[in-house]
Amino acid sequence: AQKITQTQPGMFVQEKEAVTLDCTYDTSDQSYGLFWYKQPSSGEMIFLIYQGSYDEQNATEGRYSLNFQKARKSANLVISASQLGDSAMYFCAMREGGGVGTSYGKLTFGQGTILTVHP
Amino acid sequence: GAVVSQHPSRVICKSGTSVKIECRSLDFQATTMFWYRQFPKQSLMLMATSNEGSKATYEQGVEKDKFLINHASLTLSTLTVTSAHPEDSSFYICSARSYGMNTEAFFGQGTRLTVV
Repeated sequence: AQKITQTQPGMFVQEKEAVTLDCTYDTSDQSYGLFWYKQPSSGEMIFLIYQGSYDEQNATEGRYSLNFQKARKSANLVISASQLGDSAMYFCAMREGGGVGTSYGKLTFGQGTILTVHP
Repeated sequence: GAVVSQHPSRVICKSGTSVKIECRSLDFQATTMFWYRQFPKQSLMLMATSNEGSKATYEQGVEKDKFLINHASLTLSTLTVTSAHPEDSSFYICSARSYGMNTEAFFGQGTRLTVV
């Protein structure tokens, strides 16, 4: 069963405007972590933001904020004041479990959303 | 943040040959490394989890004899694609973590493998 779902294959936004990238997840764990990564055409994975399941405040990192709605199991990424350099593929990912077992840190990724920023 | 270096970034090999990809943690000890595979414009799919000094744990459907993973030290894990075929052409990317790293997974730059 799909554990991370990104329903937007592609999104377009005008430069300087805000955009929301959707992500829903499914888990039975009480402790989990949610990540957003940016992947430009070069292929590297750039960490953007993290939200822990017990964090009461929505995470923010500069122009990035995570709209965490635990009851709805959603973790949408909001990018404010879009820049041309934001054009890339964006992945939502989840790490399940809160222990320190040997597989801790394994991430399950969504399908990704290609964001295009227009001038 | 911590640095993970992956080498080579691109490799072209002939069908039937083997190719080795290295993943190094440069400034921390990586107790666990993960290997992912990504086809163009698709998601990252976990292939295997490797823990230093023990055998890798492969995900369902991943051929362990084809994708050999070695994690011999706390700073190096290698993925060897044996007897490569054109269908093995893909983007391979590693990530590494250490105890206490809970809020981020650090990725290498990725390796684009083309088998001709």
